[in-house]
Amino acid sequence: TQLLEQSPQFLSIQEGENLTVYCNSSSVFSSLQWYRQEPGEGPVLLVTVVTGGEVKKLKRLTFQFGDARKDSSLHITAAQPGDTGLYLCAGAGTTDSWGKFQFGAGTQVVVTP
Amino acid sequence: GAVVSQHPSRVICKSGTSVKIECRSLDFQATTMFWYRQFPKQSLMLMATSNEGSKATYEQGVEKDKFLINHASLTLSTLTVTSAHPEDSSFYICSASWAANTGELFFGEGSRLTVL
Repeated sequence: TQLLEQSPQFLSIQEGENLTVYCNSSSVFSSLQWYRQEPGEGPVLLVTVVTGGEVKKLKRLTFQFGDARKDSSLHITAAQPGDTGLYLCAGAGTTDSWGKFQFGAGTQVVVTP
Repeated sequence: GAVVSQHPSRVICKSGTSVKIECRSLDFQATTMFWYRQFPKQSLMLMATSNEGSKATYEQGVEKDKFLINHASLTLSTLTVTSAHPEDSSFYICSASWAANTGELFFGEGSRLTVL
């Protein structure tokens, strides 16, 4: 079982500021996903990264997969209150069965107006 | 995206009773479903992997006799918490996938179980 470490655990920022969330592991992942979850709901997929060094942009969100496919980051530019939520990274190991992901501990992001 | 629905969304039961939670894929056939448990302000803990027509594979430390999983069809998996106790109170979430997709997981809305 691969261990995914997310940092920071909690982040509180003002609207308009930027933030970065990190997801690190000592293991190589075949793919890595980022999710956002709101209280009482299931996680919603934001992005999937597969290729080492890959960078994906989704409006104000930028996702990067490390060259060695062991780490990833999520950067939010000009955060808005709607970005508030629990951000989770999830990785699928190279030997894991299809769709089996291990989740990081999560980063709680709070964006205040 | 594909839709996964869980039922019930909230359930309160007395200690010692059993509770069944359903996970349905509404517009696709899910060859694999996953069950997770989530404590407040914590991440998802994978409990088991459920493949249609076969026995579920449980993660280390998860009691298979406590958490019965059945995946009788390509659109339905059930999790039964047997002889529930207060420590079983949690948020249970399922996700579903199919072999030909890109690895994206589609999550249900979650089911909040409270055992009195």
